[in-house]
Amino acid sequence: EPEVTQTPSHQVTQMGQEVILRCVPISNHLYFYWYRQILGQKVEFLVSFYNNEISEKSEIFDDQFSVERPDGSNFTLKIRSTKLEDSAMYFCASSRRTEETQYFGPGTRLLVL
Amino acid sequence: GESVGLHLPTLSVQEGDNSIINCAYSNSASDYFIWYKQESGKGPQFIIDIRSNMDKRQGQRVTVLLNKTVKHLSLQIAATQPGDSAVYFCAEKVENSGGYQKVTFGIGTKLQVIP
Repeated sequence: EPEVTQTPSHQVTQMGQEVILRCVPISNHLYFYWYRQILGQKVEFLVSFYNNEISEKSEIFDDQFSVERPDGSNFTLKIRSTKLEDSAMYFCASSRRTEETQYFGPGTRLLVL
Repeated sequence: GESVGLHLPTLSVQEGDNSIINCAYSNSASDYFIWYKQESGKGPQFIIDIRSNMDKRQGQRVTVLLNKTVKHLSLQIAATQPGDSAVYFCAEKVENSGGYQKVTFGIGTKLQVIP
């Protein structure tokens, strides 16, 4: 069964450093998403992406965040200058159409020191 | 203010019994609801969904009930097994003005199955 994959599984970085989280969505899916989950809290929407542009973003997704689909398979989330409060689990998700179910990857645990 | 950490509601169920997990939603415009299961250290896993034009949907060992009048959603798990132990989230899909949809998650309920 096809699934969303994410790399790395864990990332430790220093405050102020840039990080890039990578995702490979399910191959025939056209809509891509990033969510985050701070430890002990609920999953929060960050951004949705379709046809090479952002279709919606939350208030969390400020100028420090960006997304990109650099090729036909990868979908990345970049945090330019990480802050301590960016420490969280970051989940990528994809869906075939916007109205269809989103399937989630296993997540990347980001720790900012 | 921002909560430091949420104390998840917890449901403890004896193995073999049925579990009922409840969820309230607030947006009357939501037209699609999903239940996700999240095991420790993993991403949310789709369990079952329901559209707002239905009030019940059944899957394998799971049933979702939707009561739009009181904005309530429930997930019933039959013959609960130890592998069902996880945090269960209800989520609603909301469409923005551009026609795109995003998923908004609830707080979650922790299900503990007692062997």
